[in-house]
Amino acid sequence: EVQLVESGGGLVQPGRSLRLSCAASGFTFHDYAMHWVRQAPGKGLEWVSSISWNSGTIGYAASVKGRFTISRDNSKNSLYLQMNSLRTEDTAFYYCTKDTKITIFGEFALWGQGILVTVSS
Amino acid sequence: QSVLTQPPSASGTPGQRVTIACSGTSSNIGRNFVYWYQQLPGTAPKLLIYRDNQRPSGVPDRFSGSKSGTSASLAISGLRSEDEADYYCAAWDDSLSGVIFGGGTKLTVL
Repeated sequence: EVQLVESGGGLVQPGRSLRLSCAASGFTFHDYAMHWVRQAPGKGLEWVSSISWNSGTIGYAASVKGRFTISRDNSKNSLYLQMNSLRTEDTAFYYCTKDTKITIFGEFALWGQGILVTVSS
Repeated sequence: QSVLTQPPSASGTPGQRVTIACSGTSSNIGRNFVYWYQQLPGTAPKLLIYRDNQRPSGVPDRFSGSKSGTSASLAISGLRSEDEADYYCAAWDDSLSGVIFGGGTKLTVL
């Protein structure tokens, strides 16, 4: 079955760090760019970060640039999001998504179920 | 504030045709593909329309997308109760070098 499963979410204090993981299965992971998209509770979707198949091209939304780091391990079929200096406004469901191309195209063809990150003291 | 503009809500009765508009600029919709995502209550979003007007396999042909200039629209014909969901438009933005979403439209089937 083709799927993406996020893990690593939870409650964290402002200023602390958290690392999200996304396990991919059912497709050839290294053939696709990957992304993180988030959604604050009751709000709309916001693109967070993207990474090409070989990590050669990476992009971040202005709201997270300098604080978040996206990475991937093709040998483990896994995508990661290291989140540092977390703020209350980072509270959201974080979705791992799969592109349709090897480079960053911005076509979110497959989504994980999402993982909740709550930043609160 | 979203860079793509959508109406916050839309509604229709079963069997009706409804359209949801999405307005952008020359740096996004004007020169890049438009995507539509459907988010049913309590679930993850799902790709509904890709590259302006293409449907992934499994998406009923009641759903259609179109684009003209810096605006796009999603049309749903033969409205059904299970179409009640949030709908988001999205496009790559050359100025931001990233994907931008509309604020979302909550569709209610009366």
